This record gives sequence, structure tokens and C-alpha cells, in this order.
Amino acid sequence: EIVLTQSPGTLSLSPGERATLSCRASQSVSSSYLAWYQQKPGQAPRLLIYGASSRATGIPDRFSGSGSGTDFTLTISRLEPEDFAVYYCQQYGSSPETFGQGTKVEIK
Amino acid sequence: EVQLVESGGGLVKPGGSLRLSCAASGFTFSSYSMNWVRQAPGKGLEWVSSISSSSSYIYYADSVKGRFTISRDNAKNSLYLQMNSLRAEDTAVYYCARVITIFGVVTPGLFDYWGQGTLVTVSS
Repeated sequence: EIVLTQSPGTLSLSPGERATLSCRASQSVSSSYLAWYQQKPGQAPRLLIYGASSRATGIPDRFSGSGSGTDFTLTISRLEPEDFAVYYCQQYGSSPETFGQGTKVEIK
Repeated sequence: EVQLVESGGGLVKPGGSLRLSCAASGFTFSSYSMNWVRQAPGKGLEWVSSISSSSSYIYYADSVKGRFTISRDNAKNSLYLQMNSLRAEDTAVYYCARVITIFGVVTPGLFDYWGQGTLVTVSS
């Protein structure tokens, strides 16, 4: 199974700053089948990005994804107060689908 | 509005059984593959099981294979997870999640709607 390693574990930033989250796969992710989800406390995950770089319906354009192969990045261009949350990457190109351990973006 | 509402969680002793349900509304349930994903307290997400729209294809994570059974009733717009031989490590919030369809193409393993989850605690 593909293991996804996210870094950093925690990112402390201020509103308005840029956030860069990394996701590294133990082997190449098929067809860039890499997604990013946002999860707030007590809530279900919310799909942000799929296919490494396509935004899901209703996701603001301050969220962008990039990468291919084994290295992927989620960028939040300017953090809004509602963006402080935990972010998970997920690969869905190989069975079983697997998730990273998460990156927490917290208010500095 | 798409809604997924899980129920059936609770406290159960090791070795016990529990049946989770997920009631779907706001979309044509019979057209979508569905999944269960779990999250242990304070931990990350783990895919558990998937079932295709007509129940023809069913898959399980190795960690639950032989103990859990996924099923669905399209007439009742409901998804189920029968969990037997429960272990402490099965303690988690269990989410049902809908598989996304992009430009009419089912994309297995990618989830666009999730329920709010139901907590399963396995403890003596």
C-alpha cells in the first residue's frame, strides 16, 4: 500500500499569510490521483482538491494544488480565519486508498 | 441538498457486534458507490470498505476483512456496516462517504460528501 507522509505536522501562521503543505508518497501516485481534504474539529472532512490540482465545487481559488509522481503540495495563498484546520492528503489511484497523517494549520 | 446521516454507534465489549446505518437523501442513492471511512480519536483517516451502486463490487481494508460486512438497500436509500468480533483498535468515528462522479465518470476512492459520523467505542 502507498504510504503518504505529510509535512510539517503543524504550521503556525497568521491570517493573510501563505500556507504551503507537503505530501510525499512512498511510490508514484497513479495518474496524479491525489486529493486534499480539510477537516475542522467535530466536522467531517471536506474535499478541496482532486487530481492533484483541480478544485472541487465551491472551493475558493486561494486553494491550489500541484505536484506529480511522489511529491505534492497544497497552497493556501492568503489564510482566512476559516482556513485554520487540519488538512489531509489522500491517494485514490491504488487500492487501498490511503490518507496522510494530516497537517494542522493553527493561528500563530 | 445531499445528506448522509449515520447511526448505530455506541459502546460495545471486545468480541461484540454492532451494525451501523447511513441514511441518504437529496440524491439518487442507487446511482452512487458508497464507502465507510473511520477515524480513531485524535488520529487520521482510514478507509474501511466500499460497495458499488448495485452491490456488485465490494472491497475491505485488510484490517477489517472477515469481520466487517458492508451492504446497502437501494429501496431504502441506506448503507450498512455489520461489525463483528470488534477489537479495541476498531474504536473510531465511522463516516459514510459518497464516491464522486466527475463529468459523469465514477471516480472510486474519491469522496465528495460525508456524513457527520457515528462513534464506536470498543472497551470492556
